[in-house]
Amino acid sequence: EVQLVESGGGLIQPGGSLRLSCTASGFTVSSNSMNWVRQAPGKGLEWVSITYSGGSTYYADPVKGRFTISRDNSRNTLYLQMNSLRVEDTALYYCAKEVRGNLYYIEYWGQGTLVTVSS
Amino acid sequence: DIEMTQSPSSLSASAGDRVTITCRASQNIFTHLNWYQQKPGEAPNVLIYSTSSLQRGVPSRFSGSGSGTDFTLTISSLRPEDSAIYYCQQSYSVLRTFGQGTKVEIK
Repeated sequence: EVQLVESGGGLIQPGGSLRLSCTASGFTVSSNSMNWVRQAPGKGLEWVSITYSGGSTYYADPVKGRFTISRDNSRNTLYLQMNSLRVEDTALYYCAKEVRGNLYYIEYWGQGTLVTVSS
Repeated sequence: DIEMTQSPSSLSASAGDRVTITCRASQNIFTHLNWYQQKPGEAPNVLIYSTSSLQRGVPSRFSGSGSGTDFTLTISSLRPEDSAIYYCQQSYSVLRTFGQGTKVEIK
């Protein structure tokens, strides 16, 4: 059974850093395309970042240069390092696995971890 | 980046009604369009992928169509459990983007 469990969220001051983790089970993170998607309170879904099985990484413009997606294959875990955090980064952050192959849709989501950026 | 625009932002319809949600892409995305349903307090779930393919386990009253820049999600006969927010997402670009969502309420 596929499971995605996010952790690492919390209250952080503007300008601070936080690292989110997504521990996966039931599949191998390194063999799949993995996304971070966020949702600000009461707002819609916003795609944040993706890492492909081949290692390529991409970021949405609002987080480019501040956030870094990575994975630890030995721990089967996905990370999101978030630096220079802003109030507008406040959101529930979901880890999400795309289906394998060439269909490119998200088939599994975690439950999310809440990041609150506030002074 | 590819911008996705949904309409309407919200709608209210009666059980049994046919409901259509539209999603427009700012450039040609061929058929790389997915639809997700999100209920309060839950993570989203995929309904339709690649414009018109129904995800396993999703009721057949949901269907999708379109190509290029214009897409639709149709619920053929609305049920109370369909009350949710629906999002389109393009997967043509490596920079994935979602529409702003359409809230569907049952009268």
